Amino acid sequence: SYELTQILSVSVALGQTARITCGGNNIGSKNVHWYQQKPGQVPVLVIYRDSNRPSGIPERFSGSNSGNTATLTISRAQAGDEADYYCQVWDSSVVFGGGTKLTVL
Amino acid sequence: QVQLVQSGAEVKKPGASVKVSCKASGYTFTNYGIKWVRQAPGQGLEWMGWISTYNGNTNYAQKFQGRVTMTTDTSTNTAYMDLRSLRSDDTAVYYCARDQTSSSTDAVDVWGQGTKVTVSS
Repeated sequence: SYELTQILSVSVALGQTARITCGGNNIGSKNVHWYQQKPGQVPVLVIYRDSNRPSGIPERFSGSNSGNTATLTISRAQAGDEADYYCQVWDSSVVFGGGTKLTVL
Repeated sequence: QVQLVQSGAEVKKPGASVKVSCKASGYTFTNYGIKWVRQAPGQGLEWMGWISTYNGNTNYAQKFQGRVTMTTDTSTNTAYMDLRSLRSDDTAVYYCARDQTSSSTDAVDVWGQGTKVTVSS
């Protein structure tokens, strides 16, 4: 079965750029979606189909996908961006990455 | 507004079944499928399956095949997830989520509030 690999945790200084990666075999050929989940809250879609932002998601959130790695980039990181981030693809079934905890220092 | 409202928390004994409901409002129910996702305490998201609200077709994660049944009632715009033979490791928050488009392969854009299911003797 298809697997997605995410680093357990990423730290970023306030106002700097955070990059959260999602690795998978030839993931560049798939549509990647990203969800943000703050503690005690429901997941929220922040990027769909690699690089598209749903309405209401700040432009600071962007995504890219190529080769074996998809990347969620959060520019000008804020304290409110602290959350777990999950990537997701479809490969005959829904596959989630294990999640990355983003800490804003 | 578009929303999914789930049924309340459940406490079940091992071996029992649980049925979680997910009532949709604010959109045409049969235009978007529903996915079910669960999250064990301190763990990540785990996909359980998908149901077409248009024709009732289902696609279950292999892990849950034979133990889960997903259904819908289009007269009440409600989706249901029935999980049988519960074990302690089924303790989790269960979410329903709406497909973003008419395609089941796309993202989900609206989530229910979650239903906490505790399995304990």
